[in-house]
Amino acid sequence: AQSVAQPEDQVNVAEGNPLTVKCTYSVSGNPYLFWYVQYPNRGLQFLLKYITGDNLVKGSYGFEAEFNKSQTSFHLKKPSALVSDSALYFCAVSGPNYGQNFVFGPGTRLSVLP
Amino acid sequence: GAVVSQHPSRVICKSGTSVKIECRSLDFQATTMFWYRQFPKQSLMLMATSNEGSKATYEQGVEKDKFLINHASLTLSTLTVTSAHPEDSSFYICSAYLRLLNEQYFGPGTRLTVT
Repeated sequence: AQSVAQPEDQVNVAEGNPLTVKCTYSVSGNPYLFWYVQYPNRGLQFLLKYITGDNLVKGSYGFEAEFNKSQTSFHLKKPSALVSDSALYFCAVSGPNYGQNFVFGPGTRLSVLP
Repeated sequence: GAVVSQHPSRVICKSGTSVKIECRSLDFQATTMFWYRQFPKQSLMLMATSNEGSKATYEQGVEKDKFLINHASLTLSTLTVTSAHPEDSSFYICSAYLRLLNEQYFGPGTRLTVT
């Protein structure tokens, strides 16, 4: 069975500084990995995904994530954080039925301080 | 990206009544839709997989008689919370699977409060 861990409940970063939100996963076979962002009382917005190819994936709003197979990680990064990036971030993994049967991580709340 | 809507966005109902939540894929046909539940400050938990024209597949621990799912068309799935109780209060999110692109698109969610 697949699982996702986000070891940090909360990440605080100053505006303009780089940010990292961590994610590790466990899945049989090749993983399909995703990052989503959720603003208060809103649904999920897709940021980026890794299926195959380059380990560094670039996504929406300047976010990127690096797939590291040996460490089974898929950390989300942004070179320069904005206050508007403050939200709840979810990492998700999908198994062989790509696009279906998502398993979400517990979420990490990102606060970007002005 | 593809658009998925949910209606209503929030609903308050009395204990014992039933509430229907609609999930629509506005610009594509979705043979599969998913229903998730999110408790405050927690992650999304998959409740069921809704397949057009067939019975939904429920995750372990989800009562199928309490959470009725109907996927009568390729653009609409409904979740009916029957005989709602305060513990059913939650944020319900649907998603629609676009097979052509192998993508899952999420609705904006419905906040249900049972008093």
